[in-house]
Amino acid sequence: EADIYQTPRYLVIGTGKKITLECSQTMGHDKMYWYQQDPGMELHLIHYSYGVNSTEKGDLSSESTVSRIRTEHFPLTLESARPSHTSQYLCASSPTGNNQPQHFGDGTRLSIL
Amino acid sequence: GDSVTQMEGPVTLSEEAFLTINCTYTATGYPSLFWYVQYPGEGLQLLLKATKADDKGSNKGFEATYRKETTSFHLEKGSVQVSDSAVYFCALSNSGGGADGLTFGKGTHLIIQP
Repeated sequence: EADIYQTPRYLVIGTGKKITLECSQTMGHDKMYWYQQDPGMELHLIHYSYGVNSTEKGDLSSESTVSRIRTEHFPLTLESARPSHTSQYLCASSPTGNNQPQHFGDGTRLSIL
Repeated sequence: GDSVTQMEGPVTLSEEAFLTINCTYTATGYPSLFWYVQYPGEGLQLLLKATKADDKGSNKGFEATYRKETTSFHLEKGSVQVSDSAVYFCALSNSGGGADGLTFGKGTHLIIQP
């Protein structure tokens, strides 16, 4: 199985708090991604990275930000959480090369009260 | 842009029934096609893939054939089990060397009854 880890698995927190969702992979993959999955199951790409010091916005606009200081680490931050941020967040990675499959973590289920 | 359309669920079947989940796509160029499975409370797992026309991906009794002429990648299994209950996502990758993410269908919730 893929070695990609997300913490925390579940987070319930109040409005206005700063949140960081962690994602780490041990496969040495250059490419990493964040998806937001809504209750209807649909997945939307919100951020991706080609490698260290590279970050790009995805198809779905998001108030979150990401950083990529190390190859294995791709954290996502919300500076001031709001109820509209309640969702499941999935992190993924893939090796270099065209059209490679992505390996997913188990996700963080975030609830903002 | 690229898109994936898959049949909406939930799909409810009895154990040992034959399964088909339809998936069609729209894409320029030569995408790779994937089926992912998501069990309750977990992330997505790659189930199978096909990288070019007429390729057949298979895994755990599931299979799908990349049909370029019909732009389809239907998932099939001859005899489903209760443990196959999950959400199934069809997806394509058309990154052309970039890092754009997968384009997913909306997912099909499969329920297998004993």
